[in-house]
Amino acid sequence: EADIYQTPRYLVIGTGKKITLECSQTMGHDKMYWYQQDPGMELHLIHYSYGVNSTEKGDLSSESTVSRIRTEHFPLTLESARPSHTSQYLCASLGQGNTGELFFGEGSRLTVL
Amino acid sequence: QKEVEQDPGPLSVPEGAIVSLNCTYSNSAFQYFMWYRQYSRKGPELLMYTYSSGNKEDGRFTAQVDKSSKYISLFIRDSQPSDSATYLCAMSFSGNTPLVFGKGTRLSVIA
Repeated sequence: EADIYQTPRYLVIGTGKKITLECSQTMGHDKMYWYQQDPGMELHLIHYSYGVNSTEKGDLSSESTVSRIRTEHFPLTLESARPSHTSQYLCASLGQGNTGELFFGEGSRLTVL
Repeated sequence: QKEVEQDPGPLSVPEGAIVSLNCTYSNSAFQYFMWYRQYSRKGPELLMYTYSSGNKEDGRFTAQVDKSSKYISLFIRDSQPSDSATYLCAMSFSGNTPLVFGKGTRLSVIA
């Protein structure tokens, strides 16, 4: 079982609120990722990090930001949430082997009213 | 054209059936091919991994990659209700580049 944790699992908030989705892994993985998943749609990469102080935007344009101050921690922040941000957010880290296996958290389901 | 195409289903089969799930892709540079399984309200977990072309078998699961046709498949033999989940194909150029995912196929195995 993967040691990667996301909080909160479910969040319902009003428009304009600032939110932070937490992601932590205890496997010492350098590379971490945030994906957005909507029903019936592909997982879209929104942010990734190759290590401490490294962050990059993914393929899908996102109004969120991320930080990587510690190896084990990769939080995602929305400064002003909107209904269009309603989605499932999945955090993942890349295993140490050369298989390219991603270990996923259980996801944070965000609903913005 | 999307890089990875996968029929989202849903697919419903009786217990014991052989299930075939497929993905096509457009970029011939993909080298690593994976299948993830995602149960409801959970994150995806790696089910099968294949490098380049060929077949790989693990218990009731077989993954096939045909690079000449840009086509990958996952076969599930003797399907069980516990196999009911969404199956996502994924691929990458190397072991260190981000994965590109298909939409996922939702499978229901009926007892």
